[in-house]
Amino acid sequence: DAKTTQPPSMDCAEGRAANLPCNHSTISGNEYVYWYRQIHSQGPQYIIHGLKNNETNEMASLIITEDRKSSTLILPHATLRDTAVYYCIVRVSQTQGGSEKLVFGKGTKLTVNP
Amino acid sequence: DGGITQSPKYLFRKEGQNVTLSCEQNLNHDAMYWYRQDPGQGLRLIYYSQIVNDFQKGDIAEGYSVSREKKESFPLTVTSAQKNPTAFYLCASSFSGTVADSPLHFGNGTRLTVT
Repeated sequence: DAKTTQPPSMDCAEGRAANLPCNHSTISGNEYVYWYRQIHSQGPQYIIHGLKNNETNEMASLIITEDRKSSTLILPHATLRDTAVYYCIVRVSQTQGGSEKLVFGKGTKLTVNP
Repeated sequence: DGGITQSPKYLFRKEGQNVTLSCEQNLNHDAMYWYRQDPGQGLRLIYYSQIVNDFQKGDIAEGYSVSREKKESFPLTVTSAQKNPTAFYLCASSFSGTVADSPLHFGNGTRLTVT
């Protein structure tokens, strides 16, 4: 069962910021939040991950709430090539009693419009 | 360039035949994974391997088999016992299979059609 909840679809205008929400209200203290995206008929592409602090890389920013029960992936200037399904997943270390059974839900279908 | 290579991209087989999907990585990753994706669905874990000569069943291992004789390679065999083999198969790897701070990197998949 997916441990995250995402809206099924979102739209964004080209050049604007895309803010994709994810709810993970049952997250444990040792679970990381990961974001991937998948363009049709390709493998998922890693975007970013974080534990507690906000993170930024060349692709996106990840904002995690202080209680860690939700997060937001921000694509600062969306382009048409950002149209994809975005997956938010949580991952816990197996050495701390977790599982490698990463659960991908159905994700959010982001459509960037010209 | 380092990465994960899955071959072939498209594969067609007759029902009752076993088929092996190839996955090779040159990222020097210890852990490798096989996922299955059906239309409109998320990914489901078939098998994973954290180290050479060792692997574990995922959520939907029935009808599949794997081997991990080399660090770089993790082939998946879809046997005739798999009731619904037609799907998109994804291979992934990560630096470590036991540390959560270790992103998975995916190949571009093999689309298997069994008729």
